[in-house]
Parts: sequence; structure tokens; C-alpha cells
Amino acid sequence: KAGVTQTPRYLIKTRGQQVTLSCSPISGHRSVSWYQQTPGQGLQFLFEYFSETQRNKGNFPGRFSGRQFSNSRSEMNVSTLELGDSALYLCASSPQGPRGGTDTQYFGPGTRLTVL
Amino acid sequence: SQKIEQNSEALNIQEGKTATLTCNYTNYSPAYLQWYRQDPGRGPVFLLLIRENEKEKRKERLKVTFDTTLKQSLFHITASQPADSATYLCALDSGAGSYQLTFGKGTKLSVIP
Repeated sequence: KAGVTQTPRYLIKTRGQQVTLSCSPISGHRSVSWYQQTPGQGLQFLFEYFSETQRNKGNFPGRFSGRQFSNSRSEMNVSTLELGDSALYLCASSPQGPRGGTDTQYFGPGTRLTVL
Repeated sequence: SQKIEQNSEALNIQEGKTATLTCNYTNYSPAYLQWYRQDPGRGPVFLLLIRENEKEKRKERLKVTFDTTLKQSLFHITASQPADSATYLCALDSGAGSYQLTFGKGTKLSVIP
């Protein structure tokens, strides 16, 4: 099976712009989670989608949004970019999602976003 | 507030020795705990999962323990090799119905030949 893919791999934007990142999960996986990773804060949860529904959202401002399509592919959008949004954005897929069960997260390679 | 702490940001050990990494948590009642490995520029890769009713789990040279009384997990790599050099992350579920994994900041392990 193909792994989780993320596009683009690298992105440079300027402050005030918006950006859309894409994630294609492993075939058959219905849950997609998004994380932001920075050296100072580590891996922080953004949101999780399952069957096109957002089930949980992390502590991020409303500028961060996402969606999931019927084929389980997911996108996240960041509007009005700030310098502090520079980070590695990772998505992870799993069959059912992290519900206290045995679902492990399969991560993609990430999108490196640089905001100038 | 909920907190996950991994004992140190960096750990250097000699090749062949056992590396022990610590993950402590407060204000969680996790159903399970997971350990991941992350290499530079890559996404984390799952290594082991241990449930709350399990004391120990092994996989090849890896061993994880889980003490829900101490609220601590230990991750051991025996006979460490330079190829084991990476950042290791522990992760907890945030409780029933949370649909969220919370990660520690990780420990960067360097195995010196």
C-alpha cells in the first residue's frame, strides 16, 4: 500500500497570504489528523477528521481550518499567515482514529512552510 | 492542566549500551501510550503501543514499560547502534471520545560509535 502523501513538500509564503496544504491518506483509512511541529512547541494537534466530519480541534486560532473529502483526502488552510506559522505541518492517517483503541498514526513526510 | 514531559531534550550514549528514555504525564488517564521515532525532515514512525493494563511490551531490541500509578513510561533500546540515533516521541490519547493524540516534545538520542 502506498503511504501517506502530502503536497507540496515545501512552501514559501509572505505574511498576510493564505495557504492550502493537501494530504492523501493510506487507502482504506478514514481518519486524518493534522499536526504542527516547531522546535519550541514540538508536535501540536490541529484537528482530526473522520468521514468528512471534524471530531476534534486543537487550541489554534480560527485562521487554521480544514476539511475532508468523501475519498478521505484532506486539506488544511491557513489564512492571514503570520511569521509564527512557519513550521512543519504533518498529517497522519489511521483506520478509525485515536479513540483510545489500537489505532496507530501513519504520518506523511510533512509540508515545510516558511513565512517571510 | 494536562502535561507530557520527556526527561531530557537530548541523550548521548555509547554504542552497545542500553538507552533509557522517560515519559511522564500528569492529569491524563490514558487508555494507551505510544512511542514513535522521528528522523530529521521526516514524519514520525510508530514503534510500540502499550495499553493501560499492560506492564511491559517488547519488540526486538525495544522494550516499553507503563506504570499508571507513577504516571510514567520507560522506553529502552538495548545494544544500541548509531542507526538508532533519532528523536523519540511518546504520545497519549486524551481520553475516551477525544479523537486526539498528544505528543511529548521528544528526546533526541545520539548513539556514539
